[in-house]
Amino acid sequence: DTGVSQDPRHKITKRGQNVTFRCDPISEHNRLYWYRQTLGQGPEFLTYFQNEAQLEKSRLLSDRFSAERPKGSFSTLEIQRTEQGDSAMYLCASSLGTGQGRQPQHFGDGTRLSIL
Amino acid sequence: ELKVEQNPLFLSMQEGKNYTIYCNYSTTSDRLYWYRQDPGKSLESLFVLLSNGAVKQEGRLMASLDTKARLSTLHITAAVHDLSATYFCAVDMRMDSNYQLIWGAGTKLIIKP
Repeated sequence: DTGVSQDPRHKITKRGQNVTFRCDPISEHNRLYWYRQTLGQGPEFLTYFQNEAQLEKSRLLSDRFSAERPKGSFSTLEIQRTEQGDSAMYLCASSLGTGQGRQPQHFGDGTRLSIL
Repeated sequence: ELKVEQNPLFLSMQEGKNYTIYCNYSTTSDRLYWYRQDPGKSLESLFVLLSNGAVKQEGRLMASLDTKARLSTLHITAAVHDLSATYFCAVDMRMDSNYQLIWGAGTKLIIKP
């Protein structure tokens, strides 16, 4: 078990640029989640995959955000035309779930995004 | 509106003292999690509480759940410096056909030697 890994750890970019983050979940986990966390706050749900299917998207997720999990393994989160308000820590988590079964989510170390 | 509120948000205490962190939530749920986060690090799962009256203990930490009161507590006994971290509670809430974790804002705990 190598844990959930995220890449890059830090990303600094200018406003208006596009960024893409990658998440590699724990290998046997079929569920993958993306969260956003700002300083002094708890994680805020963005989206959720079961295998390759994106089952839930937060209403907070604007059309500038898109996530994929093409083969049901790793996932990417892309933010287009970044804005100052996108500066945050982006967390990925994975879990093993069947039906309504819910196991604890295991988190990666996150990608810290800073918009200049 | 679904809300999870933690109290206090910041706590500074001396080693050896006891204290309790509270987590209130606004709607029915049958599952509550406690996580720990060190600065710049990942969230680590501490406890999963599944039913009313559930109590779990690990070392100096003990968590309990009262689903009728919609309240969970995280009790710290004889605190040591290594327990300094931010502690989050998260409640599993049903959203349409799936469940989502709704998180509290976290309690930043500083334990002074």
